[in-house]
Amino acid sequence: GAVVSQHPSRVICKSGTSVKIECRSLDFQATTMFWYRQFPKQSLMLMATSNEGSKATYEQGVEKDKFLINHASLTLSTLTVTSAHPEDSSFYICSARDKLLPYTGELFFGEGSRLTVL
Amino acid sequence: KNEVEQSPQNLTAQEGEFITINCSYSVGISALHWLQQHPGGGIVSLFMLSSGKKKHGRLIATINIQEKHSSLHITASHPRDSAVYICAVRVDRGSTLGRLYFGRGTQLTVWP
Repeated sequence: GAVVSQHPSRVICKSGTSVKIECRSLDFQATTMFWYRQFPKQSLMLMATSNEGSKATYEQGVEKDKFLINHASLTLSTLTVTSAHPEDSSFYICSARDKLLPYTGELFFGEGSRLTVL
Repeated sequence: KNEVEQSPQNLTAQEGEFITINCSYSVGISALHWLQQHPGGGIVSLFMLSSGKKKHGRLIATINIQEKHSSLHITASHPRDSAVYICAVRVDRGSTLGRLYFGRGTQLTVWP
């Protein structure tokens, strides 16, 4: 089946630093990738939709200058949390849509990245 | 109010028991997903359905579009089924696949 790899799985950083999280589709090309955030005991919340070769679309309330998304190729999207603060500590997870299956709605998720900002 | 409500929030069962997790939603949808989130956080898609019923091994998912309700059943539950089960609905936007709205999940623990 389709595999989406996310890296790193865990990251601890100091307040004020930037952290980059990678999301790769390993055996398919992803025209669209989605970034979600999940706080403890809460639902997954969509942060942004990332389309290859174009600017990401951010959900209301998500700061695009703080959460930089780059989708430079059909197999890689990156989320950079800039000037991270403790309130950014959360579980970040990506999902990808297969280029060959654009309208099926099939979901392929990464393993997630747990960010802790000290 | 969340567009997607799941019940129960927590569920404990003995190995072998029949499990039911419920999902109700308040918006018009094009599809509903059942997801499994493991303790490490990774998510696996179990089912995507827009009508009727689907079965995969010991898992069965049903949906009633008129009542805006779906259920996930696990027959002969096993400790390895312990995970968080998440219901998500897709709300379409015109001609493009729309966004997903997620329930808060149901934490299932199956004891041997």
